[in-house]
Amino acid sequence: GQNIDQPTEMTATEGAIVQINCTYQTSGFNGLFWYQQHAGEAPTFLSYNVLDGLEEKGRFSSFLSRSKGYSYLLLKELQMKDSASYLCAVRNSNYQLIWGAGTKLIIKP
Amino acid sequence: IAGITQAPTSQILAAGRRMTLRCTQDMRHNAMYWYRQDLGLGLRLIHYSNTAGTTGKGEVPDGYSVSRANTDDFPLTLASAVPSQTSVYFCASSPGLAGGETQYFGPGTRLLVL
Repeated sequence: GQNIDQPTEMTATEGAIVQINCTYQTSGFNGLFWYQQHAGEAPTFLSYNVLDGLEEKGRFSSFLSRSKGYSYLLLKELQMKDSASYLCAVRNSNYQLIWGAGTKLIIKP
Repeated sequence: IAGITQAPTSQILAAGRRMTLRCTQDMRHNAMYWYRQDLGLGLRLIHYSNTAGTTGKGEVPDGYSVSRANTDDFPLTLASAVPSQTSVYFCASSPGLAGGETQYFGPGTRLLVL
């Protein structure tokens, strides 16, 4: 079967750094996505990785290791507005996105 | 219209009733998708359309049907609603299928089936 695993919930402090991990087992691999979803809202795109390594985009970075079936999203200089759920999704060999259940990130002052 | 719109925003529906959730995009995207999101579960694909005139089944298609008569619209129909179809439904679109094209989501429809 196809499976995406990520922690259910994480807590971090404003101004700090947090790393959200994602491991996956899918039928084929055609890229990994990270989305942000605030409560009651739609998911919005954060990052895309298809090759191994780190992609940096401002305060957010995403890392991929295809051999390990592993990715992480790194958030620096945390702000209160970063409180949200972070969704990991893998595009499989059929070009369909398989989604993790999401990690709820709670930022404390 | 800017992006993707969905209607209604929310709905309470009696079991056994027929319901159509509407989705319209103005980005001229080829591909469109319907997902449901339930607490503790990831987004699950119901149906998709790679281009106008074609549709395909996703992970959880039973009880749902779709049509894609044109590029902009992708309605989702529940023929006879059941309580297990209580969920938040998101419509999404992307320019195409291949490559790193992201999916853009509508605001969602919150459906309660009693």
